[in-house]
Amino acid sequence: DAGVIQSPRHEVTEMGQEVTLRCKPISGHNSLFWYRQTMMRGLELLIYFNNNVPIDDSGMPEDRFSAKMPNASFSTLKIQPSEPRDSAVYFCASSSDDRGIEAFFGQGTRLTVV
Amino acid sequence: AQSVTQLGSHVSVSEGALVLLRCNYSSSVPPYLFWYVQYPNQGLQLLLKYTTGATLVKGINGFEAEFKKSETSFHLTKPSAHMSDAAEYFCAVSVGGSNYKLTFGKGTLLTVNP
Repeated sequence: DAGVIQSPRHEVTEMGQEVTLRCKPISGHNSLFWYRQTMMRGLELLIYFNNNVPIDDSGMPEDRFSAKMPNASFSTLKIQPSEPRDSAVYFCASSSDDRGIEAFFGQGTRLTVV
Repeated sequence: AQSVTQLGSHVSVSEGALVLLRCNYSSSVPPYLFWYVQYPNQGLQLLLKYTTGATLVKGINGFEAEFKKSETSFHLTKPSAHMSDAAEYFCAVSVGGSNYKLTFGKGTLLTVNP
């Protein structure tokens, strides 16, 4: 398996623009997570999907952030409008269930908002 | 709520020396504990995990960790450091064995000197 695939790897955008990050989880995994990593706050869980349904989005910073999982093989994280403080590395991870089994991480998308 | 404290944001060792990365956790219920490694510009990779049973857990690349309930610790060790071990290491705790409740520490950057 190719692992969790995220695109793009790097994104530079201007403040106010819409940004869409994409994730393809490992085939057969039914749990998907979006994390944000910054120097100040470390790794934070933004949202968790189980069987394509958002279970917990309490980590989403504000209404500018939204995430979807239209099917088991694809998820998006959208920021609209983007702000410089959104600059971070965004990771997608997936696991085969929710019972403490290993979560596999993608390589991340480094977002820079200027 | 659970929490993780990693003592030392940066640890430097010589090649061949003992590696010790410290992690203390707080949890009101029996925790699942994890160590992840992150190489530059990469996602997180699971090194090892403790769920139940034997408190000394062996992972990949010669690393091991011991769960000590009385000390609420889960320190990561490796007898002899290799240059390729240079990376950032994250301790994480989950409650109820749920991946989506993973809480990460701030990370420890390991430098290995020749």
